[in-house]
Amino acid sequence: DTGVSQDPRHKITKRGQNVTFRCDPISEHNRLYWYRQTLGQGPEFLTYFQNEAQLEKSRLLSDRFSAERPKGSFSTLEIQRTEQGDSAMYLCASSTLDSDYGYTFGSGTRLTVV
Amino acid sequence: QKEVEQNSGPLSVPEGAIASLNCTYSDRGSQSFFWYRQYSGKSPELIMSIYSNGDKEDGRFTAQLNKASQYVSLLIRDSQPSDSATYLCAVRNDMRFGAGTRLTVKP
Repeated sequence: DTGVSQDPRHKITKRGQNVTFRCDPISEHNRLYWYRQTLGQGPEFLTYFQNEAQLEKSRLLSDRFSAERPKGSFSTLEIQRTEQGDSAMYLCASSTLDSDYGYTFGSGTRLTVV
Repeated sequence: QKEVEQNSGPLSVPEGAIASLNCTYSDRGSQSFFWYRQYSGKSPELIMSIYSNGDKEDGRFTAQLNKASQYVSLLIRDSQPSDSATYLCAVRNDMRFGAGTRLTVKP
């Protein structure tokens, strides 16, 4: 296990379509985070899991977004009825329970909505 | 007020100089502070963490924390062109990020 894996690396979709991204964290990491990043901005927090429990969800996240981590291992982020404003890099990160040691990020999934 | 604020830059320094990056935060109860480096098109990577007031040094990097002023900074000594990147400040366990400061080190 060499790090956090995200799939796909790139996704182009038409407006109105649904998309799903996958994140595989470092195996011993209990916490998993999703962020969204647009050009020139820092990562924007979306949600995080501790094991399979979703502990926090950003109020900025519309009801078109949903995330799951069914067995406390990999996670999926789904966006329904995509809009052009959803175009961004979606980053996944993981950490141990002691997140004072910071997070390890995956390479991200770049979403383009056309 | 944004939770974490950084000067967006860009900051340009000559090779060998000291680069100083600054960050302020709004939550006085924050305990954990992090600096990440992000190269263009890549994901953030952790450079340093700091939890106590004062300085913390790691090689050419020094993080400084002043909780009373709600201020954290990163100094890069002997800056190299390879340090050219965006530097992100992050605060608290739920990792809110600043917008980042873009640093360019000119040979």
